[in-house]
Amino acid sequence: AQKVTQAQTEISVVEKEDVTLDCVYETRDTTYYLFWYKQPPSGELVFLIRRNSFDEQNEISGRYSWNFQKSTSSFNFTITASQVVDSAVYFCALIEGNDSNYQLIWGAGTKLIIKP
Amino acid sequence: DTGVSQDPRHKITKRGQNVTFRCDPISEHNRLYWYRQTLGQGPEFLTYFQNEAQLEKSRLLSDRFSAERPKGSFSTLEIQRTEQGDSAMYLCASSLIATIPNEQFFGPGTRLTVL
Repeated sequence: AQKVTQAQTEISVVEKEDVTLDCVYETRDTTYYLFWYKQPPSGELVFLIRRNSFDEQNEISGRYSWNFQKSTSSFNFTITASQVVDSAVYFCALIEGNDSNYQLIWGAGTKLIIKP
Repeated sequence: DTGVSQDPRHKITKRGQNVTFRCDPISEHNRLYWYRQTLGQGPEFLTYFQNEAQLEKSRLLSDRFSAERPKGSFSTLEIQRTEQGDSAMYLCASSLIATIPNEQFFGPGTRLTVL
């Protein structure tokens, strides 16, 4: 069955430290799509990235980077030089390719606390 | 503001009352999703519409839950005979249909408290 696991419930680091949020997924499909969303204290989920299963190239966007490894079914997210504004709950999610509903399957989220 | 909007932002009701929430998606988006989120969890899919058609509703939590999108624009989610267990954040999202899943844009949510 499809599943997304974010084993880290909460992470706390001091500002300027690098931090990696882990995401492990399970799916039987060979085609699938992985997402990361950010939910700041205001509550509104904000899209960060989409990655499809055929594209294993890692991506960097400013201080954010994503490491997609099919061999370990992981899609980890790293924030470099963290800032207080990065404090939020981060969710990893999956859509299976054979699902025409495009239903997002969500992990439980990792609460990231950046201390000044 | 061209984002997804939801109304009300907060709703407090007594057990047994009916409540209705509204979602206005991004205007050109043809897909609209409803989710429920409880504390410490990821969003839980409830139902979705493609234009005015409700294509998936088997995940609605019970027959007390219903949703409509009569003209393919805004949508409403109604909960009848509310129970304390219905207390949660109800999220709406919209997206453009494509051959691969596009990002879903989320609204700010409606927080329901059932006393």
